Amino acid sequence: DVQMTQSPSNLAASPGESVSINCKASKSISKYLAWYQQKPGKANKLLIYSGSTLQSGTPSRFSGSGSGTDFTLTIRNLEPEDFGLYYCQQHNEYPNTFGAGTKLELK
Amino acid sequence: QVQLKETGPDLVQLTQTLSITCTVSGFSLTTYNVHWVRQPPGKGLEWMGAMWNGGGTDYNSAFKSRLSISRDTSKSQVFLKMNSLQTDDTAKYFCARSVARGVMDAWGQGASVTVSS
Repeated sequence: DVQMTQSPSNLAASPGESVSINCKASKSISKYLAWYQQKPGKANKLLIYSGSTLQSGTPSRFSGSGSGTDFTLTIRNLEPEDFGLYYCQQHNEYPNTFGAGTKLELK
Repeated sequence: QVQLKETGPDLVQLTQTLSITCTVSGFSLTTYNVHWVRQPPGKGLEWMGAMWNGGGTDYNSAFKSRLSISRDTSKSQVFLKMNSLQTDDTAKYFCARSVARGVMDAWGQGASVTVSS
């Protein structure tokens, strides 16, 4: 199975700042990396897939980059609603596997 | 409006069988795939398996032969059944839909299950 290593596990930032979350695959997954947001009481939300394609409805302050084994989610000009948990997922092969998550907290 | 809703027991006894139903609306099970993903308390997400839109299934080998996924298209329902439950099966169980390559664009809110001895 492809192992996904996500970093950092915790991140504190203020509204208006920019942050980056990294995800590293144990082998090449081409461009097939997705990012999800998880918040208490809400359904998980797909933000980005295939490395850099924004899901319909995802604000443009979110961007994804990378290919092969190294990927980054960047959030610019943080809004209050952006705080929560973020997970990467490789969707290149089954079993799909997820990173351990990054908790983005208000500083 | 696309919706997925998981229903199942809150508590299951050790070694018993877990059954959870995912009822969907706003889309067809013959067009979209439905995945099962679980999340133990305070931990990350784990893909369990999928019901493909054509009716086939795929499973994470981590669950060996314990897991079974089926569906009733007439009721827009997908079923998860897992036997021989252990305490580390305590988790929130999600169903999610995808159109291709495991990209899950809609999720249910999850069903929390505790395995008790």
